[in-house]
Amino acid sequence: QKEVEQDPGPLSVPEGAIVSLNCTYSNSAFQYFMWYRQYSRKGPELLMYTYSSGNKEDGRFTAQVDKSSKYISLFIRDSQPSDSATYLCAMSPISNFGNEKLTFGTGTRLTIIP
Amino acid sequence: GAVVSQHPSRVICKSGTSVKIECRSLDFQATTMFWYRQFPKQSLMLMATSNEGSKATYEQGVEKDKFLINHASLTLSTLTVTSAHPEDSSFYICSARDFRRFSTFGSGTRLTVV
Repeated sequence: QKEVEQDPGPLSVPEGAIVSLNCTYSNSAFQYFMWYRQYSRKGPELLMYTYSSGNKEDGRFTAQVDKSSKYISLFIRDSQPSDSATYLCAMSPISNFGNEKLTFGTGTRLTIIP
Repeated sequence: GAVVSQHPSRVICKSGTSVKIECRSLDFQATTMFWYRQFPKQSLMLMATSNEGSKATYEQGVEKDKFLINHASLTLSTLTVTSAHPEDSSFYICSARDFRRFSTFGSGTRLTVV
């Protein structure tokens, strides 16, 4: 069993729809949860991060963490064609600050159809 | 925001030759740099972690004599793929961080060994 599971998609939705992206994990030591967006042939860019359980909102993006279920989600409201990319979840335990090892999901390829 | 520059973005080399990839933090001093490898439709796999002025720590299964990492300054790390073979063809991505922030990724290097 992989430490982090993520549906690779692809996922296609019409413009304006709400997108839900999810990851599950098995390592209960994970405390930091991140979502990265990766455009084709580019490096990942950090979208949002949360610490422990709870919700965090930033514009059209909302990140949710449910540690009891070992389940995290990213919601995108009013999706735009520019949101089309691969979204990767990543996690790390509390460790020596500065040396965190991120464990990534496989990424979900998202296409927003105009 | 933090910027990490990675060069070259794409390189084609002959089998048996060596290739050097550079990763620079442009506006901050990176105490730690990470090197990842990404296969098509797969997640980022951490290869090694390097701290400035010390030897890199390699992940299990990564040949340190094949993938030479140097982190000689707080703004530059290099990955040299020695005696490259076609199976080394992949997308290599670096990331850098200091104690105040999560990792910032470079734009990646597509290596093709022919």
